[in-house]
Amino acid sequence: NAGVTQTPKFQVLKTGQSMTLQCAQDMNHEYMSWYRQDPGMGLRLIHYSVGAGITDQGEVPNGYNVSRSTTEDFPLRLLSAAPSQTSVYFCASSSGGLVTEAFFGQGTRLTVV
Amino acid sequence: AQSVTQLDSQVPVFEEAPVELRCNYSSSVSVYLFWYVQYPNQGLQLLLKYLSGSTLVKGINGFEAEFNKSQTSFHLRKPSVHISDTAEYFCAAVKTSYDKVIFGPGTSLSVIP
Repeated sequence: NAGVTQTPKFQVLKTGQSMTLQCAQDMNHEYMSWYRQDPGMGLRLIHYSVGAGITDQGEVPNGYNVSRSTTEDFPLRLLSAAPSQTSVYFCASSSGGLVTEAFFGQGTRLTVV
Repeated sequence: AQSVTQLDSQVPVFEEAPVELRCNYSSSVSVYLFWYVQYPNQGLQLLLKYLSGSTLVKGINGFEAEFNKSQTSFHLRKPSVHISDTAEYFCAAVKTSYDKVIFGPGTSLSVIP
């Protein structure tokens, strides 16, 4: 089973560039979310979606956009990369919202120079 | 604001010794509580969760946690650790009003042979 797949695994961007982090799940989960992980800060929620066509902001949404056109895919777009967005990004999905087990991808390590 | 505190950023422990990883949450309302583990270069996976009922929750890999409402704590324990338990451990909480999941900053457990 593939579970949650994130691409790419590593990425280096120059300041001001844009890019899309891909996330796909094959478990037919309605709830999907994006987190960033920074040392000493745990995971912080960027955006989340409770189903196709529905997205909402998390704790740290500035500089990021999301869309959810299908149940399977939940891409995260960086509009104009900044060094402060250097982080490890995780996508997660769950079947029943926040109280059910979240399945995480293996992460994308992004460096903005 | 709801927050999750993990008092120890790093916990070294000898193999086969017991370990307790501490987690406290601040909330005036009922919460659901989780422990996740992150092995090196991987995403997070669920160890255990508390939704209601018995305050002692058993999870995978021999871990257990006890919910203490009066002390607003959800400490994770294992009676005898193995080298393979070396990982980052995250406590997380979500309000029963289905707000966002809040993660603690993480505790790095290092098991010493």
